[in-house]
Amino acid sequence: AQSVAQPEDQVNVAEGNPLTVKCTYSVSGNPYLFWYVQYPNRGLQFLLKYITGDNLVKGSYGFEAEFNKSQTSFHLKKPSALVSDSALYFCAVRGNAGNNRKLIWGLGTSLAVNP
Amino acid sequence: KAGVTQTPRYLIKTRGQQVTLSCSPISGHRSVSWYQQTPGQGLQFLFEYFSETQRNKGNFPGRFSGRQFSNSRSEMNVSTLELGDSALYLCASSFGVWRPRDETQYFGPGTRLLVL
Repeated sequence: AQSVAQPEDQVNVAEGNPLTVKCTYSVSGNPYLFWYVQYPNRGLQFLLKYITGDNLVKGSYGFEAEFNKSQTSFHLKKPSALVSDSALYFCAVRGNAGNNRKLIWGLGTSLAVNP
Repeated sequence: KAGVTQTPRYLIKTRGQQVTLSCSPISGHRSVSWYQQTPGQGLQFLFEYFSETQRNKGNFPGRFSGRQFSNSRSEMNVSTLELGDSALYLCASSFGVWRPRDETQYFGPGTRLLVL
């Protein structure tokens, strides 16, 4: 069965420090992996995705994520956090095998960047 | 290009009533997916429509239904509302043709439903 885990409900980081939001997955076939961000009372905004190719994916607002097939992980990173990065972050995965193309979502990680 | 729009943005209903939510996808997108978001359950997939046909369905009771029109606009309906239906309902659109470069869903701002 396909699944996504975001092991941390909340991540706290000081402004200017690097941040990491973790995501691990289980899927049949090669995964399509996504990160989205949600600000309060807003819909989800697409940050970046991994489909194929280079394991390091660069996205919006200075975020990047590294696909690690052996560890089945797709952690979101940013070298220097901003207070405005404080939001809820969601990881999602879709397998590309068979007919089941539903996106499977993690429960989200709340990121708090402290000034 | 305009983004995904959802109407209404806020809605208050009472138990037993029914509600219809609307979603207009990004121009050119043919797939519309609906999600329910609650603090405890995260994003729960309701259903996906592509070219007026339901292509995928989540594990929700039959009180939850949807449809898609020929212009790709979609509606979802919840009948006999229950208190537990209070949530943020999100709509997402995509090209829906499962090509890698098109594998991105774009979300609307959501409709916040409160059932009293």
